[in-house]
Amino acid sequence: ILNVEQSPQSLHVQEGDSTNFTCSFPSSNFYALHWYRWETAKSPEALFVMTLNGDEKKKGRISATLNTKEGYSYLYIKGSQPEDSATYLCAFISNYGGATNKLIFGTGTLLAVQP
Amino acid sequence: DAMVIQNPRYQVTQFGKPVTLSCSQTLNHNVMYWYQQKSSQAPKLLFHYYDKDFNNEADTPDNFQSRRPNTSFCFLDIRSPGLGDAAMYLCATSRVPSGGEKLFFGSGTQLSVL
Repeated sequence: ILNVEQSPQSLHVQEGDSTNFTCSFPSSNFYALHWYRWETAKSPEALFVMTLNGDEKKKGRISATLNTKEGYSYLYIKGSQPEDSATYLCAFISNYGGATNKLIFGTGTLLAVQP
Repeated sequence: DAMVIQNPRYQVTQFGKPVTLSCSQTLNHNVMYWYQQKSSQAPKLLFHYYDKDFNNEADTPDNFQSRRPNTSFCFLDIRSPGLGDAAMYLCATSRVPSGGEKLFFGSGTQLSVL
């Protein structure tokens, strides 16, 4: 059974704080890792799709790193703003058996940014 | 403009009463997915369509069916909802069935079973 763990479950920070959270996934048969941001009452929105060990991606104040050898990815938010409040989901895709389209999600990290 | 649209946003049904959730997309994507997310759990893939080809996950209960009459629309039918089927149901699309491309999600339908 493929398991994706995200930590922490929830995080409360003050506006302007920088924060980071972790996604852990199996280190074998890696194909890709996705990060999504899901604001309440909206659609989950893709932040990053990462495929290579050592990948670093950036979108505004949000960045992510990937270590496929040890099976983890970090998501960083620099200078958190209230509009960053959302659940951040990661999803792992394995290439085991040749199927590369099934996303295995973690339970997410709920971020609340206080003004 | 919304590209993946799910209706309704909230759906209440009675125990055992069939219910249908709908999803439409304006992206002309080949792949449409249905995910189920129960409270405090990770979204779980139920099935997906690649064009007209239906792909069921091995652990998806028989109670769940899906239809894709054309590229734009996909439906999730729950034949006899039980209390355990109360969840958020998310529809998503992708251009191709590869995890190397991002998914586009709808905003979900929250299903309650009374």
